[in-house]
Amino acid sequence: ETGVTQSPTHLIKTRGQQVTLRCSSQSGHNTVSWYQQALGQGPQFIFQYYREEENGRGNFPPRFSGLQFPNYSSELNVNALELDDSALYLCATGTSGRRPQETQYFGPGTRLLVL
Amino acid sequence: GNSVTQMEGPVTLSEEAFLTINCTYTATGYPSLFWYVQYPGEGLQLLLKATKADDKGSNKGFEATYRKETTSFHLEKGSVQVSDSAVYFCALHSGNTPLVFGKGTRLSVIA
Repeated sequence: ETGVTQSPTHLIKTRGQQVTLRCSSQSGHNTVSWYQQALGQGPQFIFQYYREEENGRGNFPPRFSGLQFPNYSSELNVNALELDDSALYLCATGTSGRRPQETQYFGPGTRLLVL
Repeated sequence: GNSVTQMEGPVTLSEEAFLTINCTYTATGYPSLFWYVQYPGEGLQLLLKATKADDKGSNKGFEATYRKETTSFHLEKGSVQVSDSAVYFCALHSGNTPLVFGKGTRLSVIA
């Protein structure tokens, strides 16, 4: 186990609703990244936070937003949910930015179903 | 941009068979390379990594060698077990870019 936890484990929403997913980082980790993993695909990078500021963003629309708190836990918010947002959402924590040799530790994920 | 291509699955093997899952990459600079494993219903776990050319990562009987000349990082295991059944993801990390994953290869090992 990595020490990274996510909540909830599963969630069902309808189109147009809003959702908040949460991630608690492993002790000592100040960087958190969020990924979307569609069924049968590899994870796609949404964004990363470092010391409470966004530190890079993938190809996702602004309705995907996030927060990182002083204790380095994090939230992913998705507004105006669409059917294609159905996926496993993974957070990964690490230390000090996105250096190539940095290892990221993944949580178990939140599975979101949008009906 | 950076990308990872790995062999499509599913791969089905008998217990104790030899495993190879191919992975090739395209990247600018000098990437670090990773293999992650995802067991059913779980998140990703780091299996092994290599940070420079000719490095060999190894863990739990799995190995992969960073080959810069062929831009490859193939995953191998000499004798698979039923408990190795999972989805395996090759990934790279280069410069100031986030992790880039392949699409994953599902491995099923039958007794």
